[in-house]
Amino acid sequence: DADVTQTPRNRITKTGKRIMLECSQTKGHDRMYWYRQDPGLGLRLIYYSFDVKDINKGEISDGYSVSRQAQAKFSLSLESAIPNQTALYFCATSANTGELFFGEGSRLTVL
Amino acid sequence: AQSVTQLDSQVPVFEEAPVELRCNYSSSVSVYLFWYVQYPNQGLQLLLKYLSGSTLVKGINGFEAEFNKSQTSFHLRKPSVHISDTAEYFCAVTEGSGGYNKLIFGAGTRLAVHP
Repeated sequence: DADVTQTPRNRITKTGKRIMLECSQTKGHDRMYWYRQDPGLGLRLIYYSFDVKDINKGEISDGYSVSRQAQAKFSLSLESAIPNQTALYFCATSANTGELFFGEGSRLTVL
Repeated sequence: AQSVTQLDSQVPVFEEAPVELRCNYSSSVSVYLFWYVQYPNQGLQLLLKYLSGSTLVKGINGFEAEFNKSQTSFHLRKPSVHISDTAEYFCAVTEGSGGYNKLIFGAGTRLAVHP
């Protein structure tokens, strides 16, 4: 089983719908992250959490929210999806060196 | 704020030729540096990392990178590439201190290895 698991792996939705992407990890790391990947832009940080009670905005948090339900679980929500949120979303975890361990990605298409 | 520049968006190369993927970062303060690889339709995996010590870092699949503090660069090299090295490569640097650091990524370099 993967150390970092993302669900769903693929999702197609319509403009205005609420979407939740879920992430769970078995690595025992305190730090978890959500990134968004767009062609030619690399990975951009949406939100990050250094422990259960700590939530921080990244560089592109507008239109997104997160919930850290437990050390092992970190969910990303789009309250009202819009087409420019079509992207590949990655969850990641890390220990204190900054090295990230990634999930396999969730591909979201907003029509 | 920290930034990362990958100087080439695409690098075409023939099989068994050498390759260098270039990466520069903005800050000269103490940083950790990483190269990640993303194969088609997969997530990212760590290729190599520089935390401290020797400036020449060896990674998986025959790749290596050299940390140059004065030039704020961390270029990735391989002496002889294979078709299977076709992938997108991302350079990343930590931002922050006191252990509360997060990773900033470059835009990526797409390596295409041709027979």
